[in-house]
Amino acid sequence: DTAVSQTPKYLVTQMGNDKSIKCEQNLGHDTMYWYKQDSKKFLKIMFSYNNKELIINETVPNRFSPKSPDKAHLNLHINSLELGDSAVYFCASSLSGKHEQYFGPGTRLTVT
Amino acid sequence: AQSVTQLGSHVSVSEGALVLLRCNYSSSVPPYLFWYVQYPNQGLQLLLKYTTGATLVKGINGFEAEFKKSETSFHLTKPSAHMSDAAEYFCAVSEGSTGNQFYFGTGTSLTVIP
Repeated sequence: DTAVSQTPKYLVTQMGNDKSIKCEQNLGHDTMYWYKQDSKKFLKIMFSYNNKELIINETVPNRFSPKSPDKAHLNLHINSLELGDSAVYFCASSLSGKHEQYFGPGTRLTVT
Repeated sequence: AQSVTQLGSHVSVSEGALVLLRCNYSSSVPPYLFWYVQYPNQGLQLLLKYTTGATLVKGINGFEAEFKKSETSFHLTKPSAHMSDAAEYFCAVSEGSTGNQFYFGTGTSLTVIP
């Protein structure tokens, strides 16, 4: 009965590779987000989708491309991975008008 | 845009002592305020939230926070710290009718000393 799930939990890859992280929520929410948490625990929003439409697109390299096939899923594809992409990536979801966000367990990406 | 300031990136308390984690925000409109907790290697879990109404809100695990508009603060407290409270705590603010835009503080790492 996991509310917000992410796969994989750990991802180790080499520079230059392309990788994807998947997120699914079963809360019936209509908005989903991707956050990046760096080594100092700072959380930065990257993208937000509402009803499959991109509504927040922060200053993020265009190597990062989100995709929302439906309201319950939000994937993040990263091209040409760089060392600086190493971080924990969190997916979150919310219901419009309710404000609180629910987070997934995170995906720890390590680029070597 | 909002900004959220958490004073003290690291706070240490003795087991059984009062926990006080500080959060101040800047907002030109009434905000929605949240505290999240992150245990090691886990995602963020909602501790409590303030939307409207009573300014003292109670959350899970014995935590509570008080919204003080005049001080633009939303400090988190717990009367008696437990070892299991050791974690990273984040204050967050959202605004706008949909609440889609969240602003997080930089986090406070709480250590509980036995």
